[in-house]
Amino acid sequence: DTGVSQDPRHKITKRGQNVTFRCDPISEHNRLYWYRQTLGQGPEFLTYFQNEAQLEKSRLLSDRFSAERPKGSFSTLEIQRTEQGDSAMYLCASSLWTSGIETQYFGPGTRLLVL
Amino acid sequence: AQSVTQLDSHVSVSEGTPVLLRCNYSSSYSPSLFWYVQHPNKGLQLLLKYTSAATLVKGINGFEAEFKKSETSFHLTKPSAHMSDAAEYFCVVSDGNQGGKLIFGQGTELSVKP
Repeated sequence: DTGVSQDPRHKITKRGQNVTFRCDPISEHNRLYWYRQTLGQGPEFLTYFQNEAQLEKSRLLSDRFSAERPKGSFSTLEIQRTEQGDSAMYLCASSLWTSGIETQYFGPGTRLLVL
Repeated sequence: AQSVTQLDSHVSVSEGTPVLLRCNYSSSYSPSLFWYVQHPNKGLQLLLKYTSAATLVKGINGFEAEFKKSETSFHLTKPSAHMSDAAEYFCVVSDGNQGGKLIFGQGTELSVKP
């Protein structure tokens, strides 16, 4: 399967612990996006990279969140000192440009539960 | 700023009957519009996208959407619902005319009755 992959698929942690998620984009997709989705809501943008450069961060991304894409391939999203409000599905997408339109392809997500 | 409004939070149809999921958008420029579907506990799958090449866009699984600039709408339709269509559907607009982050509607949950 050559789609976007995310690891782990599920994570349960205790409040105050740090967690790290990984996203592997579709090969040769330059842009990589992170979104967060809470129950009953549409996904909300967190941040994105073009190659290894982080080009935009949402105000949702507090200083407890950090994302990296060190070699322009896979990306990690770390949450420090987790809070119960961080419980959500974290989605990763990579994108392809065709006919002047950028299309994002999503991974299966990592579901985080903070107890 | 770009935004989308999905007019129905929940739509229920019988199998074999038409589906209509409504979406209005707001955009400062010619928008890039998408419909994504999310089945329970699954990621988002692209159904179709508007590229300005044609106002009627055909997608996967028999879905299509019509871009109407005068009405700022991008409604999703399917002539005949199937049980497997039951899912959450999101109308989405790209934030900028150079791509970038996606802005999602609140979603419409489609139920299909046998």
